[in-house]
Amino acid sequence: QLRLQESGPGLVKPSETLSLTCTVSGGSISNSDYYWGWVRQPPGKGLEWIASSQHSGNTHYNPSLESRVTISLDTSNNQFSLNMSSVTAADTAIYYCARARFDSWGQGTLVTVSS
Amino acid sequence: QSALTQPASVSGSPGQSITISCSGTSSDVGGYNYVSWLQQHPGKAPKLMIYDVIKRPSGVSNRFSGSKSGNTASLTISGLQADDEADYYCCSYGDSAWTVFGTGTKVTVL
Repeated sequence: QLRLQESGPGLVKPSETLSLTCTVSGGSISNSDYYWGWVRQPPGKGLEWIASSQHSGNTHYNPSLESRVTISLDTSNNQFSLNMSSVTAADTAIYYCARARFDSWGQGTLVTVSS
Repeated sequence: QSALTQPASVSGSPGQSITISCSGTSSDVGGYNYVSWLQQHPGKAPKLMIYDVIKRPSGVSNRFSGSKSGNTASLTISGLQADDEADYYCCSYGDSAWTVFGTGTKVTVL
């Protein structure tokens, strides 16, 4: 059974870079049939897609976040990562990693942007 | 890329059927058969209920069904049960964004 688990700091200072990692077990991110991605949800609000990437190199970003976001795949550790630069309080949210058909999700991790 | 439009709330009594709409444009919902529906209970990660407009993942009850007409997709829940009370989100592939989510609908079982 596929499992995804987010990890990373729960508190990030404004203007700094948010970095999260998703560790995948029970399946390989090298499988080019699938994309892997990140979705976030501000407290009490709806879902927002951030980015998705595939082992073959195809990568897609939310146009509204593209200038600040990088997604990368580490096939040797079966992990994929999200970096988001120049964060502000508006980036405070639960961040989920998911297989990008959205059939498997991590439990989510709350990231708060505050000094 | 604007979010797809969903009603803020829909309610129904146990056993009834309800339908949630998801309105987009010809550049997303109307242009592709890549609409999915997600269920999210409070404090939990979303769960995929429908993909590719009408397909149900293994293990999802056949009380959930999807459809699409023009630029609007719909999720119908028949035989409403207490555990169906949750937030529901549609999402679609789009020309200007690879994925766009809907605004979300809170389903209340009366």
